[in-house]
Amino acid sequence: DQQVKQNSPSLSVQEGRISILNCDYTNSMFDYFLWYKKYPAEGPTFLISISSIKDKNEDGRFTVFLNKSAKHLSLHIVPSQPGDSAVYFCAATFTGNQFYFGTGTSLTVIP
Amino acid sequence: GAVVSQHPSRVICKSGTSVKIECRSLDFQATTMFWYRQFPKQSLMLMATSNEGSKATYEQGVEKDKFLINHASLTLSTLTVTSAHPEDSSFYICSARYNLASGKETQYFGPGTRLLVL
Repeated sequence: DQQVKQNSPSLSVQEGRISILNCDYTNSMFDYFLWYKKYPAEGPTFLISISSIKDKNEDGRFTVFLNKSAKHLSLHIVPSQPGDSAVYFCAATFTGNQFYFGTGTSLTVIP
Repeated sequence: GAVVSQHPSRVICKSGTSVKIECRSLDFQATTMFWYRQFPKQSLMLMATSNEGSKATYEQGVEKDKFLINHASLTLSTLTVTSAHPEDSSFYICSARYNLASGKETQYFGPGTRLLVL
């Protein structure tokens, strides 16, 4: 049962443009959402998170938006850089329980 | 930031042998660690939750006698793949639960261990 879904397995964006990665979830109990970035042969690294009481969280070039009514979150990267090329996982949890990960979206930023 | 290490980073073994993978939290204490397995083009699959001083909690479908987990200290959890077979070849990742200053929590991931069983 995939409670967190990333429907786009890959995304290509020109350097300098905006990258938008999307994530959908089914469990309305989730109250905390996270994005991770993963390079090949490495473990995921924490990127940015958002609590369900917010609808936006910004950290430098990275902004996460949460639409609770649609059970949808997105990660915006502006401007995109070649070093951003990686696989991005979204994850969701409700306090004290396990994390549920999406299947990942492979982002390629073209110089 | 918090760092989690894994050892070894890569291991090749013969079918039927056992392989131990270590996961260490280097600069914080982790009462809870997680073991994941990643299949190609699939999500990280949670295998088990490892709690310091108690038995691990395994996810449905994961054989606890095949994937032995020990969390003997607040900084070390080990995963032993017993009698490994080629189908066990995968990328194994551990993570440690970490409490952020905001009061929320996240997980810090190890770099992963690539297991190849011949």
